[in-house]
Amino acid sequence: DAGVIQSPRHEVTEMGQEVTLRCKPISGHDYLFWYRQTMMRGLELLIYFNNNVPIDDSGMPEDRFSAKMPNASFSTLKIQPSEPRDSAVYFCASSFGKPKGDTQYFGPGTRLTVL
Amino acid sequence: AQTVTQSQPEMSVQEAETVTLSCTYDTSESDYYLFWYKQPPSRQMILVIRQEAYKQQNATENRFSVNFQKAAKSFSLKISDSQLGDAAMYFCAYYSGATNKLIFGTGTLLAVQP
Repeated sequence: DAGVIQSPRHEVTEMGQEVTLRCKPISGHDYLFWYRQTMMRGLELLIYFNNNVPIDDSGMPEDRFSAKMPNASFSTLKIQPSEPRDSAVYFCASSFGKPKGDTQYFGPGTRLTVL
Repeated sequence: AQTVTQSQPEMSVQEAETVTLSCTYDTSESDYYLFWYKQPPSRQMILVIRQEAYKQQNATENRFSVNFQKAAKSFSLKISDSQLGDAAMYFCAYYSGATNKLIFGTGTLLAVQP
């Protein structure tokens, strides 16, 4: 299995621009999670989906952030407009739901820099 | 709310020696899992080991083992025969069966000295 795939691996953009991060979960996994990692706040859960439906988006920082999962093999996290404080590493993870295991497998992350 | 505490920001170990990383958590739930993840400089989050709360037996994975003390809410990671490739940031994480959320500690940076 290829594991969780994220693109791009690095993104540099200017303040005010739209940024779209992409994720392909492990085939067969029915949960997908988006995390953000910063030095100040560590790893934070932003949103997660179950069977393509958003279940909990309480971690999404503000309306500039949105996430979609149009099908079982693809999800996007969009920031519009981007701000320098959005600079972070964004991880996507996927898992089987209970009772199959719950272990989350992470993608390689996207390092976002907003200038 | 559940919390995860890693009280050791940094640790160092000699190659081939054993090191133990500490983790405590706070919860009122009975259904949960605990994990250790490793994050090397490549920043990939790699699963090291997993423990189900209902299991009394401590999980082991080759050179990695845990000491799970449920009553004390403690979940330490022991790395035996440390190797240079073990150098990384190690995160303890709590998974809530009720909310499906994974809550991470702040991490312990492990250095392995040759």
